[in-house]
Amino acid sequence: EDQVTQSPEALRLQEGESSSLNCSYTVSGLRGLFWYRQDPGKGPEFLFTLYSAGEEKEKERLKATLTKKESFLHITAPKPEDSATYLCAVRGFRDDKIIFGKGTRLHILP
Amino acid sequence: KAGVTQTPRYLIKTRGQQVTLSCSPISGHRSVSWYQQTPGQGLQFLFEYFSETQRNKGNFPGRFSGRQFSNSRSEMNVSTLELGDSALYLCASSLADRGRRNTEAFFGQGTRLTVV
Repeated sequence: EDQVTQSPEALRLQEGESSSLNCSYTVSGLRGLFWYRQDPGKGPEFLFTLYSAGEEKEKERLKATLTKKESFLHITAPKPEDSATYLCAVRGFRDDKIIFGKGTRLHILP
Repeated sequence: KAGVTQTPRYLIKTRGQQVTLSCSPISGHRSVSWYQQTPGQGLQFLFEYFSETQRNKGNFPGRFSGRQFSNSRSEMNVSTLELGDSALYLCASSLADRGRRNTEAFFGQGTRLTVV
């Protein structure tokens, strides 16, 4: 069965302090690995899709990378508005459903 | 273009009642998936519909069911509500063709269900 594990569960950073969030996964044939951002009481907002090891994608202060076993979401010089829960998910060719990790709660202090 | 729309946004129901939630996907998306989100369990997959057929199902009891209409709109039904069914129910739509690309899902704002 496809599985996703995210770490850490929670992370507090000072504004401008760069860091990385980890997503470890096991999947039978990766169709896609996804990163989402979720604010309290709202639905997840799509950020990135990664398809194969070595791929990288960037958006503003966020950069996602992918290896055969894990993905990282790098946050460079974060601002308080980057505070949110970041969710990682995978979709495999065999099960063909999107499975989510439990997320990392990120808090950026001004 | 318009995003995924879920109605209603909030619901309060009594134990034993049943509830129906609605989801309108992004125009052109034929796949609709439903998730239950709780603080302890995170986002859990309920089921996915594609072209009016259930394509995939999670590990939930038969009290949870769904359907999809010819215009891709979907409904989810929960019968005999229990206190533990209180959660944020999220709907997501995707192109979900069988190719390698276009596999990401876009979410609605969710329906917050409270069972008392």
